[in-house]
Amino acid sequence: KAGVTQTPRYLIKTRGQQVTLSCSPISGHRSVSWYQQTPGQGLQFLFEYFSETQRNKGNFPGRFSGRQFSNSRSEMNVSTLELGDSALYLCASSWEGGVNQPQHFGDGTRLSIL
Amino acid sequence: GQSLEQPSEVTAVEGAIVQINCTYQTSGFYGLSWYQQHDGGAPTFLSYNGLDGLEETGRFSSFLSRSDSYGYLLLQELQMKDSASYFCAVGTMTTDSWGKLQFGAGTQVVVTP
Repeated sequence: KAGVTQTPRYLIKTRGQQVTLSCSPISGHRSVSWYQQTPGQGLQFLFEYFSETQRNKGNFPGRFSGRQFSNSRSEMNVSTLELGDSALYLCASSWEGGVNQPQHFGDGTRLSIL
Repeated sequence: GQSLEQPSEVTAVEGAIVQINCTYQTSGFYGLSWYQQHDGGAPTFLSYNGLDGLEETGRFSSFLSRSDSYGYLLLQELQMKDSASYFCAVGTMTTDSWGKLQFGAGTQVVVTP
């Protein structure tokens, strides 16, 4: 069974640009969550999608948005990039979400802002 | 407010036992999870505690005390491959928020020969 796939693996952008990251969950998983990871900060929750609906949202500005498609694939978009957006962005999937289910993480997209 | 604390680093020798503590303060607490992440790798699920007590999975055990807002991960018979970051994650459920996971900053475990 294929794991969670994130593309691209690496991305370099400049301030003010926008970026779209992609996540394909494990087959059959309907919940997709996104996290931002920076050194010393752990994983910061961005949002969770379930059946094409945003079900949870973290404390990030509106520049961060996402969506989920009918096949459960998800995209995350960051507009007007800032230097502080440089981070590893991780996507995780699970059957139906819920905190008692293991989250299966992808290898992440490392975003660098110049 | 909400908080989640765990030590930043723990060093131990091969074969030893390491305990990583996690204390939390949150509303709507539902359960505590633990994840392992090797450098450059994806976090992987280790264990989940929804009820008070000890959960054992091979060399790893996890404990939860809801009344103390405290949990720990116990790594026994340490091996070099256990060198990694370990994250506790608090799961919350409220009337306006279905199943959120809040991760701690992580504990770097360094295993020495």
